Amino acid sequence: KAGVTQTPRYLIKTRGQQVTLSCSPISGHRSVSWYQQTPGQGLQFLFEYFSETQRNKGNFPGRFSGRQFSNSRSEMNVSTLELGDSALYLCASSWGAGAKGSGNEQFFGPGTRLTVL
Amino acid sequence: AQSVAQPEDQVNVAEGNPLTVKCTYSVSGNPYLFWYVQYPNRGLQFLLKYITGDNLVKGSYGFEAEFNKSQTSFHLKKPSALVSDSALYFCAVRDAGRDDKIIFGKGTRLHILP
Repeated sequence: KAGVTQTPRYLIKTRGQQVTLSCSPISGHRSVSWYQQTPGQGLQFLFEYFSETQRNKGNFPGRFSGRQFSNSRSEMNVSTLELGDSALYLCASSWGAGAKGSGNEQFFGPGTRLTVL
Repeated sequence: AQSVAQPEDQVNVAEGNPLTVKCTYSVSGNPYLFWYVQYPNRGLQFLLKYITGDNLVKGSYGFEAEFNKSQTSFHLKKPSALVSDSALYFCAVRDAGRDDKIIFGKGTRLHILP
């Protein structure tokens, strides 16, 4: 099976712009989660989607949003970019979600490296 | 609220020696515990997990972890370290049976010295 794919791999934006990142999960996986990874804060949970519904959300401002499509592909959007948004954004997919899927391991994509100038 | 702590930012081990990467957790119910590894410029890879059953869990690349409920710990171990084990290791916890988010530790960088 193909792994989790993320596009683009690298992105350079300026403050105030917006950006959309894309994630295609492993075939058959219906749960997609997004994380922000920075050297100082480690891996921080953004949100989790399952069957086009947001199941959980991390402590990020409303500038960060996401959605999931019927084919389980997911997009993440960040509006009004700030310098502090520079990070590696990781997407992960797993089989199932919620209480029944909470024991399933996640499969991560290679990430999108976002640089905000 | 659930949380996970990795008390060491970095661990240095000589090749061939045993290694331990520490992790402690806090959840309101029973925990599901995970270890992931991240190699440079790569996403995270799943190593092993504890769901239920035996406290000693074996995973990929010769790694194992021991679940200790009384000490709320889930330390990652390997009997003999390889230089190729050098990477960033993350512990993660989820409250079992609840529709709640997974929490990751800040990561421990493991350096295996040749």
